[in-house]
Amino acid sequence: KAGVTQTPRYLIKTRGQQVTLSCSPISGHRSVSWYQQTPGQGLQFLFEYFSETQRNKGNFPGRFSGRQFSNSRSEMNVSTLELGDSALYLCASSFGGEFEKLFFGSGTQLSVL
Amino acid sequence: KNQVEQSPQSLIILEGKNCTLQCNYTVSPFSNLRWYKQDTGRGPVSLTIMTFSENTKSNGRYTATLDADTKQSSLHITASQLSDSASYICVVSARGSQGNLIFGKGTKLSVKP
Repeated sequence: KAGVTQTPRYLIKTRGQQVTLSCSPISGHRSVSWYQQTPGQGLQFLFEYFSETQRNKGNFPGRFSGRQFSNSRSEMNVSTLELGDSALYLCASSFGGEFEKLFFGSGTQLSVL
Repeated sequence: KNQVEQSPQSLIILEGKNCTLQCNYTVSPFSNLRWYKQDTGRGPVSLTIMTFSENTKSNGRYTATLDADTKQSSLHITASQLSDSASYICVVSARGSQGNLIFGKGTKLSVKP
């Protein structure tokens, strides 16, 4: 059974650009959630999608957005990149229940120059 | 404010020894508490998930405890191995907030031969 796949693995962008990250969940999982991990702040929740609908959202500015497709694949977009957006972006998938185990991908390492 | 605090920040132990990691939380209303292991450059991997009514859960050499009254949890690692070297992250979920996890900053464990 394939795990959660995130692409690309590494990304370098410059300030002001925009970026789109992709996440393919485990087959059968309908929930995809996104997290930002930095050395200073640790892991922080961005948003969660279930069956193409955003169910929960963290405290990030509107520059961070996402969507989920009918096949449960999800994308995250960051517009007008800032230096502080440099981070490891992780996605996780699950069946969507409150007590379900989350399965994380290996993440996309984004560097903003 | 919902918070999760972990101690110690880092820990060095010799292979074969036991260790215990601590987690205190102020998350309300509480749903469940999770422990994750994260190897460098990889996504977190779930070790245990505990609900309000559970006070001990084991996964091989890992045993987690939960005291919902004092809002404390611990992760005990028995007979440590070199492969246990990783960050261990305590994560708490508020009720009704799928995916919206509150993360501790983690304990970085180094197991030396």
